[in-house]
Amino acid sequence: AQSVSQHNHHVILSEAASLELGCNYSYGGTVNLFWYVQYPGQHLQLLLKYFSGDPLVKGIKGFEAEFIKSKFSFNLRKPSVQWSDTAEYFCAVNAATGTASKLTFGTGTRLQVTL
Amino acid sequence: EAGVAQSPRYKIIEKRQSVAFWCNPISGHATLYWYQQILGQGPKLLIQFQNNGVVDDSQLPKDRFSAERLKGVDSTLKIQPAKLEDSAVYLCASSLVRTVYEQYFGPGTRLTVT
Repeated sequence: AQSVSQHNHHVILSEAASLELGCNYSYGGTVNLFWYVQYPGQHLQLLLKYFSGDPLVKGIKGFEAEFIKSKFSFNLRKPSVQWSDTAEYFCAVNAATGTASKLTFGTGTRLQVTL
Repeated sequence: EAGVAQSPRYKIIEKRQSVAFWCNPISGHATLYWYQQILGQGPKLLIQFQNNGVVDDSQLPKDRFSAERLKGVDSTLKIQPAKLEDSAVYLCASSLVRTVYEQYFGPGTRLTVT
């Protein structure tokens, strides 16, 4: 069974600081990887996704994530955070086998950006 | 396009009572999901439908939870009887069949069982 670990539960950063949120997954086969974000009072929404190809994936709002297969990791990064990035971030994995595959989410990381 | 709709947004019930949640997916999305998100945890898939058929319900506590999607469009999730540990946000999501990994989420229903 697939699983996802997010080791940072709560991160507090000042504006303009750099961000890296850790995500490790456990699954022996080919995976699709995702970061979802939930801004205060809003729905969960897709931030970026990795299926294949270039392991460095760029998403919306200046976020990027790097897939390192040997480390089973898919860390999220942003060089300079803004106050509006305050949100909860979820890493998710999906086994890339057929249409019945499901998303497995990590426990989430709450990011608080201070002015 | 309209997003995934859910109702009610909030519900407070006593343990052993029953409750039902409703979801209307994005038009044209054949795949519909119900997730349970307990405070401090990520969403956990309860059940996945493709049209009106169940694809995966391996994590649905079938002794108290049930779900249906009779006409392949909207869906209801029911809990009967509710327990304290069912307090959570219940999220509905939908996707196209060919992109099941790109799911669109509704606002959720926050259930409190007292």
